[in-house]
Amino acid sequence: EIVLTQSPGTLSLSPGERATLSCRASQSVSSSYLAWYQQKPGQAPRLVIYGASTRATGIPDRFSGSGSGTDFTLTIGRLEPEDFAVYYCQQYATSPRTFGQGTKLEIK
Amino acid sequence: EVQLLESGGDLVQPGGSLRLSCAASGFTFNRYAMSWVRQAPGKGLEWVSAINSGGSTDYADSVKGRFTISRDNSKNTLSLQMNSLRVEDTAVYYCAKDHGWLAAYWGQGTLVTVSS
Repeated sequence: EIVLTQSPGTLSLSPGERATLSCRASQSVSSSYLAWYQQKPGQAPRLVIYGASTRATGIPDRFSGSGSGTDFTLTIGRLEPEDFAVYYCQQYATSPRTFGQGTKLEIK
Repeated sequence: EVQLLESGGDLVQPGGSLRLSCAASGFTFNRYAMSWVRQAPGKGLEWVSAINSGGSTDYADSVKGRFTISRDNSKNTLSLQMNSLRVEDTAVYYCAKDHGWLAAYWGQGTLVTVSS
C-alpha cells in the first residue's frame, strides 16, 4: 500500500498570498496518477488536479500541480477567500487507492 | 450535468447490515467505473470499493468479505451492501463517478452510524 504524507497539517495564510502544499508518497506513483481534492465544511470533496498537473474542469488557473515519483506539490497562486478549505492528495495508480491525511488551509 | 444521489444511510447496531444506493444521472452510467469513499466524523477520506463497467470489483482490506459493491445498469444505480457492521464503519459514504481509477465526480454523501 502506498502511504501518502501531506505537509503541513495546517497552513495559515492571508488572501492574496501564495500557498504551497506538499504530498510525499512512500513509493513512486506510476504515471503520475496523483490527484488533489478540495473539501469545504459540510460538502463533498471536489477534484482540483489530476495526473499530478492537470486542472479539473472549472478550476481556476491560480491552482497548479507539479511533481513526479514520490514528491508532489499543489500551489495556489493568489489565495481567494473561497480557497480556504482542506486539501487531500490521492494516488490512483495502485490498489488500494490511498489518500493523504489532508492539509487544512485556514485564513490567518 | 453529472448528478449522484446517495441514500440508505441510517443508525444500525454493531453486527447489523445496511444497503446504500447511489442514483446516477447526467451521463451514460454503464460506460463508467464507480466507487465508494467514506469519511469518518472529523477524519480524512478512505477509499472503500470500486466496480468497473464490466462488473469487476475491488475492496479495501478493511471491508473485504463484509461489503459488496454492485451496479444495476438498467436503473443507473450503484449499491453497497454492508454486513457485519462495526463501530469503526461509522462515516459519511460518498459515491463517485470514476474516470479510470480517478474519482472525478462525487455525490453529497449519506451518513452511516454504527452504535448500540
